[in-house]
Amino acid sequence: DTGVSQNPRHKITKRGQNVTFRCDPISEHNRLYWYRQTLGQGPEFLTYFQNEAQLEKSRLLSDRFSAERPKGSFSTLEIQRTEQGDSAMYLCASSLDSSTEAFFGQGTRLTVV
Amino acid sequence: DQQVKQNSPSLSVQEGRISILNCDYTNSMFDYFLWYKKYPAEGPTFLISISSIKDKNEDGRFTVFLNKSAKHLSLHIVPSQPGDSAVYFCAARRGGGSEKLVFGKGTKLTVNP
Repeated sequence: DTGVSQNPRHKITKRGQNVTFRCDPISEHNRLYWYRQTLGQGPEFLTYFQNEAQLEKSRLLSDRFSAERPKGSFSTLEIQRTEQGDSAMYLCASSLDSSTEAFFGQGTRLTVV
Repeated sequence: DQQVKQNSPSLSVQEGRISILNCDYTNSMFDYFLWYKKYPAEGPTFLISISSIKDKNEDGRFTVFLNKSAKHLSLHIVPSQPGDSAVYFCAARRGGGSEKLVFGKGTKLTVNP
């Protein structure tokens, strides 16, 4: 199975610590997306890359959040000085181009205690 | 500001009958709509999509209808099967180059044997 892969699947961290998540998209997909989902809500868009260029960022992406896709392949999402409100499922998705659907990974569940 | 609304949090249907999931949107700039299915502890899985130039799209047991004047779309599943039990998310994308998907809050479908 060469779907979207996210690591780790679960992360528990203390408030104030930094965390980093990794996403490996489907290999030929040049578009990569990060979403966040909290309980009872649908996924909320965070940011989008086309190859290595970050082309869209949500207002949800505060200055504590940073995402990179340095070689246009895998991506990392870092949250600095985590807060309890950051507890959520962080979802990564990839797509081949703008006319095709996005495929999601299984997500990284973050719990900030 | 919920631009994509799924007003029914849950729906229960008997196996073999039709399931109809509804979705309303407010942004007239949306031109592409998708339905995703999500099982617990997994990422969303793409089901079916429709462009705003169409009013119907079929894929096996799944049909999506789009009524642009009413800003309404629906997903029909016929016949419903117990394995269809999941949370269904409606999502929309704005034209003009944005690749951001805006999701509804989801509808939990339960198909009873």
